[in-house]
Amino acid sequence: GQQVMQIPQYQHVQEGEDFTTYCNSSTTLSNIQWYKQRPGGHPVFLIQLVKSGEVKKQKRLTFQFGEAKKNSSLHITATQTTDVGTYFCAGTKGIQGAQKLVFGQGTRLTINP
Amino acid sequence: GAVVSQHPSRVICKSGTSVKIECRSLDFQATTMFWYRQFPKQSLMLMATSNEGSKATYEQGVEKDKFLINHASLTLSTLTVTSAHPEDSSFYICSASRDTESSGANVLTFGAGSRLTVL
Repeated sequence: GQQVMQIPQYQHVQEGEDFTTYCNSSTTLSNIQWYKQRPGGHPVFLIQLVKSGEVKKQKRLTFQFGEAKKNSSLHITATQTTDVGTYFCAGTKGIQGAQKLVFGQGTRLTINP
Repeated sequence: GAVVSQHPSRVICKSGTSVKIECRSLDFQATTMFWYRQFPKQSLMLMATSNEGSKATYEQGVEKDKFLINHASLTLSTLTVTSAHPEDSSFYICSASRDTESSGANVLTFGAGSRLTVL
């Protein structure tokens, strides 16, 4: 079945350093979404990428969708303590109405202030 | 924005009892809701897709008789863990999908989750 692999599983950085998490799918995705889950909280939607090669930015966060629509990345510039949490990518395959999100394993980001 | 309410947030029960968790979409209608299970420090595992007015679609390996799902209205889905055992202790999260404007792809809004502890 469809699998979404995400690396690294854990990442610890000093505050101010950059952070990147990568997501790879075994099959072509219709779109990819990114979610953030704070410790003790629930996943919160960040962004969705649909087009091949798409790049979107949200302040210090940059999201990319690969040309083949099989991989994606999230890059955070100059991390802050508020960035702590687990970042999940989630891919979908299929037509509208029949889509089912498959989540990656998540990357847990911890930051040393 | 879309809001999904999940109740209860925490529940402790004795082994052998049943527990019902409710998931409500507060400001939109959700024909489809999803139930996930999350173990500590792990990813979200999709358990089942809840369809309003029809039977839920369960993922492989999820016991239908163990995890009863009912989606009686466009704003409410319930998950009942029947005859709960300690291994059922987990964080259960529901979500509802809402179409985006650009592509029609489903963006999930998650409930706050329910932490079940079975003694």
